[in-house]
Formats: sequence, structure tokens, C-alpha cells
Amino acid sequence: EAGVTQFPSHSVIEKGQTVTLRCDPISGHDNLYWYRRVMGKEIKFLLHFVKESKQDESGMPNNRFLAERTGGTYSTLKVQPAELEDSGVYFCASSPHIPPYEQYFGPGTRLTVT
Amino acid sequence: TQLLEQSPQFLSIQEGENLTVYCNSSSVFSSLQWYRQEPGEGPVLLVTVVTGGEVKKLKRLTFQFGDARKDSSLHITAAQPGDTGLYLCAALGAGSYQLTFGKGTKLSVIP
Repeated sequence: EAGVTQFPSHSVIEKGQTVTLRCDPISGHDNLYWYRRVMGKEIKFLLHFVKESKQDESGMPNNRFLAERTGGTYSTLKVQPAELEDSGVYFCASSPHIPPYEQYFGPGTRLTVT
Repeated sequence: TQLLEQSPQFLSIQEGENLTVYCNSSSVFSSLQWYRQEPGEGPVLLVTVVTGGEVKKLKRLTFQFGDARKDSSLHITAAQPGDTGLYLCAALGAGSYQLTFGKGTKLSVIP
């Protein structure tokens, strides 16, 4: 069974530019999550989809971040315009919709904003 | 805000030694997961503990969930160089899908 995949693995952009990250969850997992780790800090929750619906976006830093999951399959996370403090590793995870909702992570996208 | 305090932050030991990593909080959790992460990769799920007092074993790794479901430990017996990596604890609060992560324990096992 294929795991969670993310694209790209790395992205280097200039401040003010736009970047879109993609996540393909494990097939059949209704729950999809985005997390981020900035340097020196712990991994932190950004948001949670159940199928195509945003269930919880309390961790999104500001309105420069937009996540979508059209059709309830893959998800995209767009940062527009990017700022220096957006640099970090963005992880996607998915889980089945049954307790204990074990979350399986993708390899992450390392975003560097210069 | 729920916090998970993980200790130690760094650990360097000789092959064959035993070690314990701790994960503590003042909050009660519905479940707690332990992950291992290699450089450039995502966290890989090792185990999930759900019941207070639960003990799970994975080869030389023993995981325990505290009776009050506020803390957990990971014990490695006879560490091997292949155990080297970043160990993360992460927990779910009641009714929540947000994983709260500890800062991790970076383990180095020297041959």
C-alpha cells in the first residue's frame, strides 16, 4: 500500500512569491492533516480535512495560507505571498476515520523563503 | 494549550546500553503515539497507546502509557546503531484530531 506522498520535496522561493504544496494521502483515508515544523521548534498542527471539508483550521498562521481538498482526495496548501517566517518543513498526514485515528506522515516539503 | 515535555533532548550512548525517553504533560490525552524520524524523511509511526497503564513491546522497544494518561515512556534495551534517529512523542486530546508533538529526543548509538 502506498504511503502519504508530498510534492515537491524541496522548494526555494523569494519573499513575495507564491508556492503550492501538494499532498496525496493514503487511499481510503478520509482524514487529511497539514503540520509544519519551523527551525528549532516542535511540529505544529495547521489544519484538518474530513473528506473535502475543513474540520479544523485553528492552526493556520494567517490568511496568506490557503488549503484545499477538492473531491476529497489530494490536498494543496498555497502560501501567497510567502514571507521569510514561512520557511520550514511542511508535513502532510492522513488517518482513517476510526479511533484511535493513527496519523501516517508523508516525507515533508522543505520550504525556504529567501 | 497542551504541552508535551520530552526528555532528554539529546542522548548519546554506546551500543548495547539501555535507555529511556520520557514524555510528560499536565493534560490528559485520549491516545499517545511514538514516532521515529530519519533526516529528510517524515515521522514514522512506531506505536499507539490508548489505555492508562498500557504497555506495548516492539522488539527491543517497550512503550508505556501512564495510569493517568498524562505521560509515557519509551525504553530501548541493548541499543543498536540502527536505533539512531529522532524519537517523537505526540498525543491527541479528548475529542481532538490535532496531534500535539514533543520537541523530540535525538538518539545517537555509537558502535
